[in-house]
Amino acid sequence: GENVEQHPSTLSVQEGDSAVIKCTYSDSASNYFPWYKQELGKRPQLIIDIRSNVGEKKDQRIAVTLNKTAKHFSLHITETQPEDSAVYFCAASKNQAGTALIFGKGTTLSVSS
Amino acid sequence: GAVVSQHPSWVICKSGTSVKIECRSLDFQATTMFWYRQFPKQSLMLMATSNEGSKATYEQGVEKDKFLINHASLTLSTLTVTSAHPEDSSFYICSARDRGALWIQYFGAGTRLSVL
Repeated sequence: GENVEQHPSTLSVQEGDSAVIKCTYSDSASNYFPWYKQELGKRPQLIIDIRSNVGEKKDQRIAVTLNKTAKHFSLHITETQPEDSAVYFCAASKNQAGTALIFGKGTTLSVSS
Repeated sequence: GAVVSQHPSWVICKSGTSVKIECRSLDFQATTMFWYRQFPKQSLMLMATSNEGSKATYEQGVEKDKFLINHASLTLSTLTVTSAHPEDSSFYICSARDRGALWIQYFGAGTRLSVL
């Protein structure tokens, strides 16, 4: 089955700096790669996703890149703000009805002002 | 967007009792729902895949007799933690994919289970 590795486990940046979180996946058949932000005790919130037919996607300060050959995808947050502080999870799956998302172990991002 | 409703949000029970958690897709049909467990400061771990009208598929290491899953309709799946023990205390989250738009997986708000 799918296995997703995520690094780093913790990341501390100054407000205004950029943050990068990296993930690798094992199943070459996976074609959907979302990123979630989770606050304590809450459900994961989808912040951006990418499908395997594109290499990069951007939404304001957030971008995701995908390298299918290397089975690697990354989340980039620019101009970080204190409210970006949270736990971020990457995930991977196939676009099939019975296939669940498999999550990385998460990255705790702390943005200090 | 699509909504997945999960109840209860928080439950406290005594050791040895059973607890049922409901997961409903409110505005879409889900032939498949997923149950995850999340311990403090850890990731979401897939427990089982719930299939409408058939048996659930459990991940390795998850006891199917302890975590009973029923998916009786296209909008409702239930997870029953039987004979709960303190080590079952965790955050349980359900999710579902809209069978008409499979890419996104929608999550319930989660259930925090505390077993005394």
